Amino acid sequence: QSALTQPASVSGSPGQSITISCTGTSSDVGGYKYVSWYQQHPGKAPRLMIYEVTNRPSGVSNRFSGSKSGNTASLTISGLQAEDEADYYCSSYTNSGTLVVFGTGTKVTVL
Amino acid sequence: QLQLQESGPGLVKPSETLSLTCTVSGASISSGGYYWGWIRQPPGRGLEWIGSIYHSGSTYYNPSLKSRVTMSVDTSKNQFSLKLSSVIAADTAVYFCVRPAVAGTAVRSFQYWGQGTLVSVSS
Repeated sequence: QSALTQPASVSGSPGQSITISCTGTSSDVGGYKYVSWYQQHPGKAPRLMIYEVTNRPSGVSNRFSGSKSGNTASLTISGLQAEDEADYYCSSYTNSGTLVVFGTGTKVTVL
Repeated sequence: QLQLQESGPGLVKPSETLSLTCTVSGASISSGGYYWGWIRQPPGRGLEWIGSIYHSGSTYYNPSLKSRVTMSVDTSKNQFSLKLSSVIAADTAVYFCVRPAVAGTAVRSFQYWGQGTLVSVSS
């Protein structure tokens, strides 16, 4: 099972919006509504930001939103802030034996 | 407030068994219908799901690790554990214990994470 494909890096200025893509196949992203997004600051545990494609856990800013089209899911961060600078990982349920597959990770830089 | 805390040796010799325990506070492992799991992250690399366990002992393991992984639950101590046998250098990673956001699901989304513990495999 190959990892989901994410861009290595995305950058933006404070206040701007950025979008991170996560591309898989019909066996994972395209086939199920079980895409999640995680934010990870250096040396810290990942934090769940989005689950089931569009849902935000309690406490997560509404500046973070998720969507999906076909085999590609996306995370949009609006009103970019310095604290958003981190690594972001997507994940998806998969009907392969691994059950869950993670993305390659995207480093977000706030210029 | 649910909290998870990993504990175990930070250094394991090649071919030996890695053993970690996750202590849960703020909720009972045996209530709520949640699975409990382990995820690892090699230094500078991405995330890999290792496996998940229900309080009844029902397990799901990553097929790539299944032959070497054993997970167990101790409800009396509100803990669950991971054993990974025959370790090699590639098993060096930060190991996180986790709990999903949604009850009854093993892998769909991981909402609660321990702080992680670095385990190095070296002689």
